[in-house]
Amino acid sequence: AQKVTQAQTEISVVEKEDVTLDCVYETRDTTYYLFWYKQPPSGELVFLIRRNSFDEQNEISGRYSWNFQKSTSSFNFTITASQVVDSAVYFCALRDDKIIFGKGTRLHILP
Amino acid sequence: DSGVTQTPKHLITATGQRVTLRCSPRSGDLSVYWYQQSLDQGLQFLIQYYNGEERAKGNILERFSAQQFPDLHSELNLSSLELGDSALYFCASSLNTGDFTEAFFGQGTRLTVV
Repeated sequence: AQKVTQAQTEISVVEKEDVTLDCVYETRDTTYYLFWYKQPPSGELVFLIRRNSFDEQNEISGRYSWNFQKSTSSFNFTITASQVVDSAVYFCALRDDKIIFGKGTRLHILP
Repeated sequence: DSGVTQTPKHLITATGQRVTLRCSPRSGDLSVYWYQQSLDQGLQFLIQYYNGEERAKGNILERFSAQQFPDLHSELNLSSLELGDSALYFCASSLNTGDFTEAFFGQGTRLTVV
């Protein structure tokens, strides 16, 4: 069965610090997709990134970077030089035919 | 703005009642997904429709039902409501089921059962 584990339920860091959000997944499929979504206090779910199981290249987008390691079934998300606006709940998700979400990590960026 | 529209944004109703949540997917998207987000259960997948047909079912109660219409909008019907059904209900859409594209979410309907 597919499963996504985000072991960190809540993290607090001071602004400008770097922070890494962990995601570990389980699937028997050889083809799958992984996602990260952000849920700010306003409540909407915002898509951040998609990664397919055949592409282990890490990706950087501004202050955001993602580290996909198939060998450890992990898809970690790092925010560099964090800002208060990064405060949100972040969800990692796995897709085969439906999208399964982890329970999320609540990130507090303290000014 | 994700392009997915959900109405209403907020809904307060009494136990035992029935409500209908509506979702309009992004233009061109054929798949619609429904999720329930509660504090203790996180984001739970309920059901998926693709081009009018049910495609996958998750943890959806028998009191709940959904459908996708020919114009691709979808409705989630919740009946015999209980206090525990209070949650944020999200609709999401994606292009189709075959290419594993990301799903874009609406802003959700917050349901409060009193």
